[in-house]
Amino acid sequence: AQSVAQPEDQVNVAEGNPLTVKCTYSVSGNPYLFWYVQYPNRGLQFLLKYITGDNLVKGSYGFEAEFNKSQTSFHLKKPSALVSDSALYFCAVVLLRGSARQLTFGSGTQLTVLP
Amino acid sequence: EAGVVQSPRYKIIEKKQPVAFWCNPISGHNTLYWYRQNLGQGPELLIRYENEEAVDDSQLPKDRFSAERLKGVDSTLKIQPAELGDSAVYLCASSLTVAYTIYFGEGSWLTVV
Repeated sequence: AQSVAQPEDQVNVAEGNPLTVKCTYSVSGNPYLFWYVQYPNRGLQFLLKYITGDNLVKGSYGFEAEFNKSQTSFHLKKPSALVSDSALYFCAVVLLRGSARQLTFGSGTQLTVLP
Repeated sequence: EAGVVQSPRYKIIEKKQPVAFWCNPISGHNTLYWYRQNLGQGPELLIRYENEEAVDDSQLPKDRFSAERLKGVDSTLKIQPAELGDSAVYLCASSLTVAYTIYFGEGSWLTVV
């Protein structure tokens, strides 16, 4: 079955340390993958996407994500976390629902960066 | 350039009352989406428009929810009558076409009491 999963509800990391937020997917064909961030009482902001090309995708605010086809993963990474990175992060993938393609979101991972 | 604009930002209503949300997409974006986000969960698609045509409304609860996008620009999402379980954030989003990145508004936060 087609799906997207974020295995961790919560990730804590110390400021200045590298961070990773995990995402795995299951799709038919080539995946279109996205990361969004949501700050409290705000809408979702686009961070980056993978459609095709280089497996390492760079996005906004110093974030990057690595597409790994063999592991069906698209983990979000940042070399040095900031307290201001604390937010809710959503992985999303375009899935075929019936005859329509829909952007389908994972359940989200709450990232807390500790000072 | 202005982003996706939604109003109202917050709404508290009693159950069985009607409510409407308005959305103005990014200029030039032909595709408009309405998503619902329950607390602690990811957004779920309610309806997608291509210009003024609703092309994917399979997850819209049609007994109480309705939407329109007259003239292919602004859109309105209505709930009548509202139920307690409708309390959620209603997110409007837009993209150039269905194949492009989706951009979200700030959301309309609905509380039904």
